[in-house]
Amino acid sequence: GENVEQHPSTLSVQEGDSAVIKCTYSDSASNYFPWYKQELGKGPQLIIDIRSNVGEKKDQRIAVTLNKTAKHFSLHITETQPEDSAVYFCAASIIGANSKLTFGKGITLSVRP
Amino acid sequence: GAGVSQSPRYKVTKRGQDVTLRCDPISSHATLYWYQQALGQGPEFLTYFNYEAQPDKSGLPSDRFSAERPEGSISTLTIQRTEQRDSAMYRCASSSGGLAGRQYFGPGTRLTVT
Repeated sequence: GENVEQHPSTLSVQEGDSAVIKCTYSDSASNYFPWYKQELGKGPQLIIDIRSNVGEKKDQRIAVTLNKTAKHFSLHITETQPEDSAVYFCAASIIGANSKLTFGKGITLSVRP
Repeated sequence: GAGVSQSPRYKVTKRGQDVTLRCDPISSHATLYWYQQALGQGPEFLTYFNYEAQPDKSGLPSDRFSAERPEGSISTLTIQRTEQRDSAMYRCASSSGGLAGRQYFGPGTRLTVT
C-alpha cells in the first residue's frame, strides 16, 4: 500500500519568512495530493490540493509543487504570519478507486512574531 | 448542512463497554470516510461508504469495529467491548465522490477508554 513520509516533524520560521514542507510517497499510482492544516481542537482543513497532471498550483500565499518522477511534493507558504502556526498534513490517494487518503505524520509549523 | 458534524465531541467509557459515534456529512455528499487519528499522527483510514454501500472495510482494526450508513446520509461507527488501545480521535470526512477527490473533515470525536 501507499506510504507517505513527511519531514521534518517541526519547523520554526520568523514571521514574514517562507516555509517549505516536503513529503514523499511510495505508490506511483497515486494521483491526488492534498494538504491539510490542523489547528488545536479542530479537524483537518483542506488548504490546497494538486493532481498528478499538474506540476504546480498556487493560491495566494500558498503553493504546492509535485515531482512525479521523484515521488515527492512540497507545500510552500510565503510571507508567513503567526496564524499560519498549526500542524500541516500531506496526503496521497488514487482518485477513482476508493480515494482513501494516506497521510503523513504531520509537521508542526511555528511562526515566531 | 454547512459542514461535517460529529457527535459526541468527547466520550469517556470504561473498558468493555460499547460506544457508538455519529457522523453527519455535508448534505448531498455521496461518499463518507471514517479515520482514526492517534496523538501525534496523521489520520488512518478505517472504512468508507458510497451512499449506503460499504465497499472497503480494510482499515477496521478488528471485528469489534463496525460502521453503518443505512440511508446513505448519517453514519455511525460502533466499537464493541472497548479496549484501552481504542482511545484515539475518530474523524469523519465526506466527499462528493467520483473523481472529485476532495474530502472535508469534521471536528472529530475524542474517545478515551479507561
